[in-house]
Amino acid sequence: GAVVSQHPSWVICKSGTSVKIECRSLDFQATTMFWYRQFPKQSLMLMATSNEGSKATYEQGVEKDKFLINHASLTLSTLTVTSAHPEDSSFYICSARSLDFPGPNEQFFGPGTRLTVL
Amino acid sequence: DQQVKQNSPSLSVQEGRISILNCDYTNSMFDYFLWYKKYPAEGPTFLISISSIKDKNEDGRFTVFLNKSAKHLSLHIVPSQPGDSAVYFCAAVDNFNKFYFGSGTKLNVKP
Repeated sequence: GAVVSQHPSWVICKSGTSVKIECRSLDFQATTMFWYRQFPKQSLMLMATSNEGSKATYEQGVEKDKFLINHASLTLSTLTVTSAHPEDSSFYICSARSLDFPGPNEQFFGPGTRLTVL
Repeated sequence: DQQVKQNSPSLSVQEGRISILNCDYTNSMFDYFLWYKKYPAEGPTFLISISSIKDKNEDGRFTVFLNKSAKHLSLHIVPSQPGDSAVYFCAAVDNFNKFYFGSGTKLNVKP
């Protein structure tokens, strides 16, 4: 149980276009979803936290108008990278938590999405 | 500024021997620590955790040690197996339940 999927697993796009990444909890209801970004050989950096039905909370330095997050249902959150530029190329990974699993170790990660902006 | 650091990007160990992965942190307010294991093309999966009120937690072949005075934790795997080959991330949690991750250590267990 507690499986989180991401789609697509990798995407290549042209500079200036927008890219949407989906994060789904397959067998549980995710009250909270997190979006992380990882540059090569660096740590996972939290970008934003989203709770179902409310606006996402962005970390300092993350542009909310560039990285649009929607958590419309208890099983789906989307991250849209708007007007993507080459510096947005990175590995984006989501995770999900549920009220049914309140412990701090109960955060389940998706497999990640590799974004390359040409 | 990274608050959680894994200074060894890679580690190679012979099968059957002990693997020791290290992690250092700077924020004394972290109250929970976790280790995650990640295979290629998969998301990190939870391995073992420790509360700041403890200094050791053991689960089968995996033991996590916490040295609060040194702000250091380590993961011991003994005996190491080829299937343990993966990237290991340590993470720390603050009192706002926010996670801070290290950059990972790639473990290679040679048969």
